Amino acid sequence: NAGVTQTPKFRVLKTGQSMTLLCAQDMNHEYMYWYRQDPGMGLRLIHYSVGEGTTAKGEVPDGYNVSRLKKQNFLLGLESAAPSQTSVYFCASTEGLNGATDTQYFGPGTRLTVL
Amino acid sequence: RKEVEQDPGPFNVPEGATVAFNCTYSNSASQSFFWYRQDCRKEPKLLMSVYSSGNEDGRFTAQLNRASQYISLLIRDSKLSDSATYLCVVINSGYALNFGKGTSLLVTP
Repeated sequence: NAGVTQTPKFRVLKTGQSMTLLCAQDMNHEYMYWYRQDPGMGLRLIHYSVGEGTTAKGEVPDGYNVSRLKKQNFLLGLESAAPSQTSVYFCASTEGLNGATDTQYFGPGTRLTVL
Repeated sequence: RKEVEQDPGPFNVPEGATVAFNCTYSNSASQSFFWYRQDCRKEPKLLMSVYSSGNEDGRFTAQLNRASQYISLLIRDSKLSDSATYLCVVINSGYALNFGKGTSLLVTP
């Protein structure tokens, strides 16, 4: 099992450009999450999904959209990138049998810089 | 006030020392508690869950104090490989985890 994978690992964008981050998991997990991590801020939840076809907003959803068309994939879109979205983005998944209390398995992260 | 607060450190300790971190949470209805470990430029990984009665996993002991709304992590006989950032995680209800900003530990020879 590859676990949770993220594509791409690094990306540099110019202000106003758009991009999609892909998260894939091969553990048949129900729940998937997108976080951002900034220095001194800790991990903050952007959006999450409790099953195929469902999404919900987290703590910092503005400027992002998500889709979960297939159970194994969770996409994070930046419609018009801003320098404030420079961050490390982590995807995570959990089995979902016990809600959010199951162990979260994280991907290796995507380092995004917006110039 | 942030929902989960941690002392950022860094805590610099010699090998073999015992070190303890605390984490406070603001929501008295919080239900579940965890410690995650994050190495530099890597993803977080679950270290241990925290149970009301306290629990131990080798050199690591986690405690929960609901009355004072804090959890603690004790590391005995510190190893160089314990150097990392330790993240306190609290779940209130539903599906979202609340992460603390992390406490940095550096174990020196």
